[in-house]
Amino acid sequence: AQSVTQLGSHVSVSEGALVLLRCNYSSSVPPYLFWYVQYPNQGLQLLLKYTSAATLVKGINGFEAEFKKSETSFHLTKPSAHMSDAAEYFCAVTNSGGSNYKLTFGKGTLLTVNP
Amino acid sequence: DAGITQSPRHKVTETGTPVTLRCHQTENHRYMYWYRQDPGHGLRLIHYSYGVKDTDKGEVSDGYSVSRSKTEDFLLTLESATSSQTSVYFCAISETGTGPYEQYFGPGTRLTVT
Repeated sequence: AQSVTQLGSHVSVSEGALVLLRCNYSSSVPPYLFWYVQYPNQGLQLLLKYTSAATLVKGINGFEAEFKKSETSFHLTKPSAHMSDAAEYFCAVTNSGGSNYKLTFGKGTLLTVNP
Repeated sequence: DAGITQSPRHKVTETGTPVTLRCHQTENHRYMYWYRQDPGHGLRLIHYSYGVKDTDKGEVSDGYSVSRSKTEDFLLTLESATSSQTSVYFCAISETGTGPYEQYFGPGTRLTVT
């Protein structure tokens, strides 16, 4: 069964600092991976996705993530945090086989940005 | 933004009462999903649909039923609401094609069972 582990339920950074949100996956077949962002009282919004075309994936709002098969990781980064990045972030995985319509989500990481 | 609406957006109900939440899409997507979101648990899949009248259970389906009589509507029913079903419920949609089925989410329904 697939699973996703997000290390750190809460990450706090200063405005302008590097953002690093960690995601490790467990999948028996090559995965597709996603990062979603959720702002307060809203639904989830797709930030970026990995589909095996390129290991470094660029998303919206200056975020990017790198797929590392050897580390089974798909960490999310942004060089310089902005106050508007404060939100909860979810990593999700599906397999590249026949049942890739179902996502398995991590428990989420709440990002706080301090002025 | 994907055309997904959920109704109601907020609801307070009493234990033992049946409750129906509605998800409506204007994207004509094949797949529709119901999740619940609880602190410390992330999103957990309740039920999903892969076509009209075609539904299946997710990981937390006990106490919930669904129906899909039209492509655009997916209903979630709590047959007899309990306090443990107090949660935020999200609907999502996705479509077939090449590559992964990224899901698009509605705004959510906050349900409180007293």
